[in-house]
Amino acid sequence: QSVLTQPPSVSGAPGQRVTISCTGSSSNIGAGHDVHWYQQLPGTAPKLLIYGYTNRPSGVPDRFTGSKSGTSVSLAITGLQAEDEADYYCQSYDSSLSGWVFGGGTKLTVL
Amino acid sequence: QVQLQQSGPGLVKPSQTLSLTCAISGDSVSSNSAAWNWIRQSPSRGLEWLGRTYYRSKWNNHYAISVKSRITINPDTFKNQFSLQLNSVTPEDTAVYYCVRDQDSSGWYPWGQGILVTVSS
Repeated sequence: QSVLTQPPSVSGAPGQRVTISCTGSSSNIGAGHDVHWYQQLPGTAPKLLIYGYTNRPSGVPDRFTGSKSGTSVSLAITGLQAEDEADYYCQSYDSSLSGWVFGGGTKLTVL
Repeated sequence: QVQLQQSGPGLVKPSQTLSLTCAISGDSVSSNSAAWNWIRQSPSRGLEWLGRTYYRSKWNNHYAISVKSRITINPDTFKNQFSLQLNSVTPEDTAVYYCVRDQDSSGWYPWGQGILVTVSS
């Protein structure tokens, strides 16, 4: 059971918009600790997608958007493309555990 | 461009010590704005942060509670790399191990290529 909760899977057709939620608690997201999102393509290492809730590293398309509301954050992907099919993970710091934690991951399927 | 290159054995016997190294290019292990982390990933445990080392006027280490009694992360300033040692391994420690840089509020990147370590006799 992960400290940060994500839906196991989401899907959408090419061109559509999907969102992936990440729910935490008062000891991590609710405490204001930074949240980062990662994309992991099959057989590869995770890649930073969004940092500090809403910021995109250089080279990440603006189709990827992060947002925050209370103890939850979301990753939105617009204009879905086949190459977006991957696992997505959220990450934050947890004060109770005194360490960094990840969500369980969400598998995105592009139909 | 910063790159991390991991090395180490892919097979470790139960009760022995797992040892991995992460060589850094394009940055310094002694950087005052970075922290150097080890993470592992397995089907049963997902992505799990193990610990980090970082330099802020002196060397600091921070370990996950789950492995605190068994883990050591050491920087090597001469070779510009850092290492992971995990003692008394069991099959539960079988995972892909990654090293990754935490660049001061800019997210964790880049990641090493990952090494699958299997604990088996």
